Amino acid sequence: NAGVTQTPKFQVLKTGQSMTLQCAQDMNHEYMSWYRQDPGMGLRLIHYSVGAGITDQGEVPNGYNVSRSTTEDFPLRLLSAAPSQTSVYFCASSREADSSYNEQFFGPGTRLTVL
Amino acid sequence: SQQGEEDPQALSIQEGENATMNCSYKTSINNLQWYRQNSGRGLVHLILIRSNEREKHSGRLRVTLDTSKKSSSLLITASRAADTASYFCATDRRGGGNKLTFGTGTQLKVEL
Repeated sequence: NAGVTQTPKFQVLKTGQSMTLQCAQDMNHEYMSWYRQDPGMGLRLIHYSVGAGITDQGEVPNGYNVSRSTTEDFPLRLLSAAPSQTSVYFCASSREADSSYNEQFFGPGTRLTVL
Repeated sequence: SQQGEEDPQALSIQEGENATMNCSYKTSINNLQWYRQNSGRGLVHLILIRSNEREKHSGRLRVTLDTSKKSSSLLITASRAADTASYFCATDRRGGGNKLTFGTGTQLKVEL
């Protein structure tokens, strides 16, 4: 199993550009989530999904969209990039829908810089 | 706002010593998890402790949970240079839905 994969590893955008961060898992996990990690802030939940076709907002959802058309994929879309979205983005998945009772498996991260 | 706050923010010890990190949280929880992050990498799950448990062991790791004080501690015994990493606690909020909240982390450096 490849686990949780993320592409790209690095990305530089200009303010106002849009892009999609890709996340895929091959473990048939129900729960998938996106976090951003900023210095001194820990990880903050952006959006999450408890199954195909079901998504919900996390702590910092503004400026981001998600969809979950398949169990495997959970892309994160930046609609109009802003410098405040410069961060490291992590995708994670867990076996069952209740994330609090299950360990989360993290991808390697995408380092995004918005100029 | 952060549900979990770790302290100390940074910890430097010698190989072979024990390392203790603490996590405090604000609201009632179902479970608390600890994760490790090596520099530039994703997080790796270490251990989960349920709200009705007081102590749990996994190899050189010992986790305690005191729900009356809303705090947890992670003890790494006989530390090794490979334990150098950041350590995060993650909590849910009872009744708060399917969301984990991570603390700001403790940076541990184990020197030879």
